[in-house]
Amino acid sequence: RKEVEQDPGPFNVPEGATVAFNCTYSNSASQSFFWYRQDCRKEPKLLMSVYSSGNEDGRFTAQLNRASQYISLLIRDSKLSDSATYLCVVNRVDSWGKLQFGAGTQVVVTP
Amino acid sequence: GAVVSQHPSWVICKSGTSVKIECRSLDFQATTMFWYRQFPKQSLMLMATSNEGSKATYEQGVEKDKFLINHASLTLSTLTVTSAHPEDSSFYICSARERAGFGGSSYNEQFFGPGTRLTVL
Repeated sequence: RKEVEQDPGPFNVPEGATVAFNCTYSNSASQSFFWYRQDCRKEPKLLMSVYSSGNEDGRFTAQLNRASQYISLLIRDSKLSDSATYLCVVNRVDSWGKLQFGAGTQVVVTP
Repeated sequence: GAVVSQHPSWVICKSGTSVKIECRSLDFQATTMFWYRQFPKQSLMLMATSNEGSKATYEQGVEKDKFLINHASLTLSTLTVTSAHPEDSSFYICSARERAGFGGSSYNEQFFGPGTRLTVL
């Protein structure tokens, strides 16, 4: 089983609509969770950290469910510029400061 | 904001040659730099961690003699792919972290370079 699993998509979303997707992680001892965004053939960029109580950053909302070991990302009022691959990232328990990346969920926002 | 550069951004080489990739932190001192590799449609895989002034630590399955890492200064780390072969063709990305976590934090943000696309013919 992969340590971080994501639905690869693509999620095709009309502009202005809402899209949500999850990521599951295997190690219950994981403490830090993040969503990164990666555009085609570019480096990943931190979108937001995910906090236990859930958090929002503009149109983006992240949730953490420790009991079921998943995190989610919701994008409201999707923009064309939101088209990207969203990477779920979890800190590695075996080695402080290192990150474990999921393979990403592709989102395509259409006009 | 923190900026990390990589050079070259892409390289095409013949099988058997060695390729050096540079990773620089432009506006901060990076005590730790990470080297990742990403194959198409796959996740970033950590190859090694380098701390300034000490030997790099490699992830399981990564050949340290093939992927030579040097972190001689607080702003520069290099990855040399020795005797590259077509299966080494990939997207190599470095990241830099300023220093260890403070106040109980176990994480400091990693700032990623733009990546180097290596194609070995």
